[in-house]
Amino acid sequence: DGGITQSPKYLFRKEGQNVTLSCEQNLNHDAMYWYRQDPGQGLRLIYYSQIVNDFQKGDIAEGYSVSREKKESFPLTVTSAQKNPTAFYLCASSIKREGGFEQFFGPGTRLTVL
Amino acid sequence: QKEVEQDPGPLSVPEGAIVSLNCTYSNSAFQYFMWYRQYSRKGPELLMYTYSSGNKEDGRFTAQVDKSSKYISLFIRDSQPSDSATYLCAMSSTGANNLFFGTGTRLTVIP
Repeated sequence: DGGITQSPKYLFRKEGQNVTLSCEQNLNHDAMYWYRQDPGQGLRLIYYSQIVNDFQKGDIAEGYSVSREKKESFPLTVTSAQKNPTAFYLCASSIKREGGFEQFFGPGTRLTVL
Repeated sequence: QKEVEQDPGPLSVPEGAIVSLNCTYSNSAFQYFMWYRQYSRKGPELLMYTYSSGNKEDGRFTAQVDKSSKYISLFIRDSQPSDSATYLCAMSSTGANNLFFGTGTRLTVIP
């Protein structure tokens, strides 16, 4: 089955710790994204990558870092510099369609800072 | 002003009702419009994808785009309890890789 997997599903972190969220896709999509979802605020873009070894900051990149060493993988690190990291994190990948891009989402990781 | 505005609801309807969900936007460059359905604690899944103005129908779902009014709608006919979810609108401009999302409308269909 093709799709996007995220792990872990739930993650607990102590203040001051860095954590890395995994995102893997076997859809052969070039572009991948990380979003953060908070109640009442919709999805906010953290980082995105259009090709391997290249990525761009989104609207709320401060306190986060990413890498894109393989086409299939786009891990997100939430650093201790992120002041309010408790949220639902969604990874997505996209294909080009009719001049636009159709995004597919993974199941998400819920991060809670204790 | 946000680029995409969506009434967060919540919206409760009886089973079998017609549901209308709406978004407005401010950027006239948006050409691609999507509706996602998100169940609680799950990732969004794409329901409808439309380009430019007009209607698109898929089973019980109809998406409408009115670019002159900068207004998009999703209609759900014969709503079912399984339609209970949060519905997110999203849109982008030509060639752009980024989507702009509404905040989502929470829908509950009561049996």
